[in-house]
Amino acid sequence: GAGVSQTPSNKVTEKGKYVELRCDPISGHTALYWYRQSLGQGPEFLIYFQGTGAADDSGLPNDRFFAVRPEGSVSTLKIQRTERGDSAVYLCASGTPNTGELFFGEGSRLTVL
Amino acid sequence: GNSVTQMEGPVTLSEEAFLTINCTYTATGYPSLFWYVQYPGEGLQLLLKATKADDKGSNKGFEATYRKETTSFHLEKGSVQVSDSAVYFCALSKETSGSRLTFGEGTQLTVNP
Repeated sequence: GAGVSQTPSNKVTEKGKYVELRCDPISGHTALYWYRQSLGQGPEFLIYFQGTGAADDSGLPNDRFFAVRPEGSVSTLKIQRTERGDSAVYLCASGTPNTGELFFGEGSRLTVL
Repeated sequence: GNSVTQMEGPVTLSEEAFLTINCTYTATGYPSLFWYVQYPGEGLQLLLKATKADDKGSNKGFEATYRKETTSFHLEKGSVQVSDSAVYFCALSKETSGSRLTFGEGTQLTVNP
């Protein structure tokens, strides 16, 4: 389909490992967002890309988290030295800035043991 | 900062019952307001939105009116169906934040036949 695609859908890793989560946005969408959703909570903003650059990364919890979007399309969220508290569903969304309508992927569920 | 508060769930109704899910917000200026819905096994999707005071958003029989005086955006539907069972999220965004959404905690709705 033509929706937002996220891989992997599920990732189980051990504490201290490195993880990459991929997002393939809807073609032509210049804006891309990463959110994190813990059980029973609403999505929490992490970072926003406009094109290739991070326009707002104020939601990244610490320097273990990093995201890139080198060609203005696919984005990768990278988590170093994972901790059990990083366990959550990581959501990616794309859209057109300032419309408020974002198109979400189904998320990548990360479990850190 | 900006925040959204939703009524606590879960909510369980019989088919054809009236639905109200309360949402209030805190924000400076004039945010845009949204309801997103997450059906089982699917990504978040926009249900309806309102961009200024007294606007009414509507879609699929759902309605919500932007009330600036009470800082509220309550979701209503006159007659729910089993297929409306989902998690509903109230959210706001500010133009200056490039469509960055701030979400409420979500309300789980179950409609029984």
